[in-house]
Amino acid sequence: RKEVEQDPGPFNVPEGATVAFNCTYSNSASQSFFWYRQDCRKEPKLLMSVYSSGNEDGRFTAQLNRASQYISLLIRDSKLSDSATYLCVVSGNNAGNMLTFGGGTRLMVKP
Amino acid sequence: GAVVSQHPSWVICKSGTSVKIECRSLDFQATTMFWYRQFPKQSLMLMATSNEGSKATYEQGVEKDKFLINHASLTLSTLTVTSAHPEDSSFYICSAALGRDTQYFGPGTRLTVL
Repeated sequence: RKEVEQDPGPFNVPEGATVAFNCTYSNSASQSFFWYRQDCRKEPKLLMSVYSSGNEDGRFTAQLNRASQYISLLIRDSKLSDSATYLCVVSGNNAGNMLTFGGGTRLMVKP
Repeated sequence: GAVVSQHPSWVICKSGTSVKIECRSLDFQATTMFWYRQFPKQSLMLMATSNEGSKATYEQGVEKDKFLINHASLTLSTLTVTSAHPEDSSFYICSAALGRDTQYFGPGTRLTVL
């Protein structure tokens, strides 16, 4: 079983739609959680950290459920520029700064 | 945010040659840098953790003699792919750690081995 699992998609949605991605992680000792965005042939970029209390950044809302070991990302009012691969990332399973990446979920927003 | 550069951004080489990739943190010092590899349509896989002034820690299945890592200063880590083969063709990405959970990624190096 992978440490961090995501539905690879692709999710094809029209502009303006609301879309949600889910992610599960296997190591209950994980301490920090993130969503990264990766555009084709580019490096990943941090989208937002994820906290147990849930957090929102504009159109993006992230939630963490430690009991279920589940992380979600909600994107409201999708824009064409939101098209990318969204990576669920977990850290804190070990000493140091190591990040464990999920396989990514591909989002395509269409006009 | 902090800036990490990689050089070269892409390289094509013949099978059997060695390729060196540089990763630099431009505006901060990084005791720890990480090297990842990403094959098409797959996620990033950590290859090794590079610590300044000490030997790198390699992930299981990554050959340390094939992927040589040197972290000689707080702003530079290098990855050398020795005797490259076509199966080593991939997107190599480095990151530099700033604080416990924050990593800043370089733009990546696309390696094609003919």
